[in-house]
Amino acid sequence: DVQLVESGGGLVQPGGSLRLSCTGSGFTFEDSPIHWVRQASGKGLEWIGRIRNKLNNHATNYSEPLRGRFTISRDDSKNMAYLEMNSLKTEDTAVYYCTRPAPGIGYDAFDIWGRGTLITVSS
Amino acid sequence: QSVLTQPPSVSGVPGQRVTISCTGSSSNIGADYDVHWYQQLPGTAPKLLIYANSYRPSGVPDRFSGSKSGTSGSLAITGLQAEDEADYYCQSYDSSLSVVFGGGTKLTVL
Repeated sequence: DVQLVESGGGLVQPGGSLRLSCTGSGFTFEDSPIHWVRQASGKGLEWIGRIRNKLNNHATNYSEPLRGRFTISRDDSKNMAYLEMNSLKTEDTAVYYCTRPAPGIGYDAFDIWGRGTLITVSS
Repeated sequence: QSVLTQPPSVSGVPGQRVTISCTGSSSNIGADYDVHWYQQLPGTAPKLLIYANSYRPSGVPDRFSGSKSGTSGSLAITGLQAEDEADYYCQSYDSSLSVVFGGGTKLTVL
């Protein structure tokens, strides 16, 4: 089965840091860009950013409001991508998803999503 | 405030046809970027419903269809069923190199 699984969520204090992991299986992970998307409770989907594949030099792009606090990286030898989050705020509380664009069908249509991992930022 | 604008809610009775609009601008949908649609059932991850404006992934019923015109996209659901009750999101790409989503539309089947 093609799947993505997030891990690393939990409770963190305001101002703290956290690293989420995303593990892929069932597909050629190294060929796939990986995106992170979050969703606050009762709210819509918010794109965080992407990391491209090796062919594209693992280039990253981020949502402008989150640029500088969030960093995406990957380790293709482990089929994993990471989301490093710093200076966390209460408004960062959300379910965080990793997702991949379906190969060959245009601009970033996400066909595989993880189940998500919940981050709660609270004192 | 989302870059793409969707109605917060729509409703219909079983068997009816409903549509959900997604309005963007000249820097995203109007710049000829595709519109994709997702269905999200409560407590689950989004599911790709329509890609590249009007194509259905394998397994998606043909009751779901999409279209695009100018700076807007549209999702239509015909023969509405109780199991269609969910949140629906549109998504596109922006010339700022960002993926953009609509704010989501809650579909209620009356």
